[in-house]
Amino acid sequence: EAGVTQSPTHLIKTRGQQATLRCSPISGHTSVYWYQQALGLGLQFLLWYDEGEERNRGNFPPRFSGRQFPNYSSELNVNALELEDSALYLCASSVGVYSNQPQHFGDGTRLSIL
Amino acid sequence: DQQVKQNSPSLRVQEGRISILNCDYTNSMFDYFLWYKKYPAEGPTFLISISSIKDKNEDGRFTVFLNKSAKHLSLHIVPSQPGDSAVYFCAASPRYAGGTSYGKLTFGQGTILTVHP
Repeated sequence: EAGVTQSPTHLIKTRGQQATLRCSPISGHTSVYWYQQALGLGLQFLLWYDEGEERNRGNFPPRFSGRQFPNYSSELNVNALELEDSALYLCASSVGVYSNQPQHFGDGTRLSIL
Repeated sequence: DQQVKQNSPSLRVQEGRISILNCDYTNSMFDYFLWYKKYPAEGPTFLISISSIKDKNEDGRFTVFLNKSAKHLSLHIVPSQPGDSAVYFCAASPRYAGGTSYGKLTFGQGTILTVHP
């Protein structure tokens, strides 16, 4: 069974640009989550999508946004990039949140802002 | 406001001995708890979980204990192996809908486990 896949592995941008990160969940999983792990900080919840709808978002500005497609894959968009957006962005998927099922993570996209 | 805390940044254990990693939480709405292992340059790998209706869950060498009254959980690895050397994160989530925590995992800061010969 293929795990959660994320692309690209690395992304280098400059301040003010926009970044798009992509995630394909495990087959059969309908929920996709995005987390940020900045240097020296723990994993911080960004966004949760389920069945194409945004269900919850963390304490991040509106320039962090995303969407989930009919095939349950997801994009995370970060507009007007700032230096502090440099981080590892992790995507996770689960079968849903209406029963206790673990979230399974991809290997992340390393976003570097110059 | 750190709702999930792993107070030990690192732990060093001899191969074959027991590793005990600890985690405390403050949010009484949490009722599903997980442990993840993370190697450098990889995403977290799910190890084991426990629901608040239980106080113990085992899977091979890994056992998680939950003490709800103390808001404390621990992960026991027996016997420890060099390949267990990694960063271990505990995470928690609420079960039911409602509130800003719904659907997300809240992570501790991690404990670096080193298993030496």
